Amino acid sequence: DAGVIQSPRHEVTEMGQEVTLRCKPISGHNSLFWYRQTMMRGLELLIYFNNNVPIDDSGMPEDRFSAKMPNASFSTLKIQPSEPRDSAVYFCASRRPPGNTIYFGEGSWLTVV
Amino acid sequence: ELKVEQNPLFLSMQEGKNYTIYCNYSTTSDRLYWYRQDPGKSLESLFVLLSNGAVKQEGRLMASLDTKARLSTLHITAAVHDLSATYFCAVDMGGSQGNLIFGKGTKLSVKP
Repeated sequence: DAGVIQSPRHEVTEMGQEVTLRCKPISGHNSLFWYRQTMMRGLELLIYFNNNVPIDDSGMPEDRFSAKMPNASFSTLKIQPSEPRDSAVYFCASRRPPGNTIYFGEGSWLTVV
Repeated sequence: ELKVEQNPLFLSMQEGKNYTIYCNYSTTSDRLYWYRQDPGKSLESLFVLLSNGAVKQEGRLMASLDTKARLSTLHITAAVHDLSATYFCAVDMGGSQGNLIFGKGTKLSVKP
């Protein structure tokens, strides 16, 4: 398997700009997760999908964040407008439930200036 | 709300020493996972513990799960520098649609 693929790996953007992060889960995995990692807050679950359907988006910080999964092999996380406090590493992960480990992508390192 | 607490959060060890990292959680779950993260890298799965009493070992690391005590441990035997990393435990919320709740991580530094 190719693993979870994320893009871009690094992004620097100005405050107010729209940011779109992309994720391709491992083939055959029907659960997809978006996590955010910062020094202050650690690893936080933003949203997860099961069979392309959002199951829990309670971790999405505010209306500026949105996530979609139009099909089993692609998901996006969008921030509009971006703010400096959104600077973090955003991880996408996938798994075959239940009782299976979650496999993480390499992360998207976002800096908002 | 499920809480997952790891301790210690920072651990500085000498090579050759043994130590244990603890992971306590606040609700019933019989599935727990351990991950390793190197600086600037992603999280790598180390162990999957799926039942009470489960014990898994890989090299100098051994993980165990006590679901009655809501406690998992990651024991390090005869530490070496290559084990320096941040270790996370994660508790499965359960069910076919569950997600994992992560602890804050234990940053391990092994010094010669």
